[in-house]
Amino acid sequence: EVHLVESGGGLVKPGGSLRLSCAASGFTFSSNSMNWVRQAPGKGLEWVSSISSTSTYIYYSDSAKGRFTISRDNAKDSVYLQMNSLRAEDTAVYYCARERVVVAGTALDYWGQGTLVTVSS
Amino acid sequence: DIQMTQSPSSLSASVGDRVTITCRAGQSISRYLNWYQLKPGKAPKLLINAASSLQGGVPSRFSGSGTGTDFTLIISSLQPEDFAIYSCQQSFSIPHTFGPGTKVEIK
Repeated sequence: EVHLVESGGGLVKPGGSLRLSCAASGFTFSSNSMNWVRQAPGKGLEWVSSISSTSTYIYYSDSAKGRFTISRDNAKDSVYLQMNSLRAEDTAVYYCARERVVVAGTALDYWGQGTLVTVSS
Repeated sequence: DIQMTQSPSSLSASVGDRVTITCRAGQSISRYLNWYQLKPGKAPKLLINAASSLQGGVPSRFSGSGTGTDFTLIISSLQPEDFAIYSCQQSFSIPHTFGPGTKVEIK
C-alpha cells in the first residue's frame, strides 16, 4: 500500500526557513515524479513544485520560485521542500503527492495527510 | 498560466440527488483534466483522471466528461460520504493549476 508521510511543518517567523520532508513507502519511489501542493486556510489547492524521478526536471510555481527548493533522495525514498524567506501568505497545509502518467497528462494519485506551516510573528 | 474556474462554488443537495459540477479552463487543455475530492483532515483523493477515466476503487456513481475548455463531474446518486469539496486540476502545462473548488453540503 502506498504511504506518504509529511513532516517538518511548524510555526516560523516571517523571513525564516523551514524544511519539509515526505517519506514514501509501498511503491518504487525512484520511478515516479513527486509534487508539493499546498492549501491555505479557507482556500483551494495550489500546486507548488514538482521533481522528476531522477531530479532532471524541476518546476516551481511563481510564488515558490527563488525561495523554495525541491529535492529528493531516491536512496531514502524521500522528497524535500526547503522553504526560505517565508511570508505570511505561505501559511498553509503542505501536501506531498505522487505523480502518475495517465492517458492524457499526469495526475496526483496518492497524497499524504499534509503538514501545517504557519508563518507568523 | 492556465486559469481554472468552477461552478457553482457551493451547493446543497440531499442523499440520492444527482449532482453536477462544472470546471472551465482558460484555454483548451484537451482532456488533461483531473478531479479530486477533499475532506477536512484527510489526504486529497484522486477521483478521475484524463477528464473521464475513473481512478481505481472510486465508486461508479462518479463520472467525468468534457474536452477542450469545459468539463463536468457528475455524482449520479449522492451518498453521505460524498459531502466534501471537489477540485479540478489541469495537467496540460506547468503550473498544473487547480480550480477553486466546489463545496457539496448537506441540504
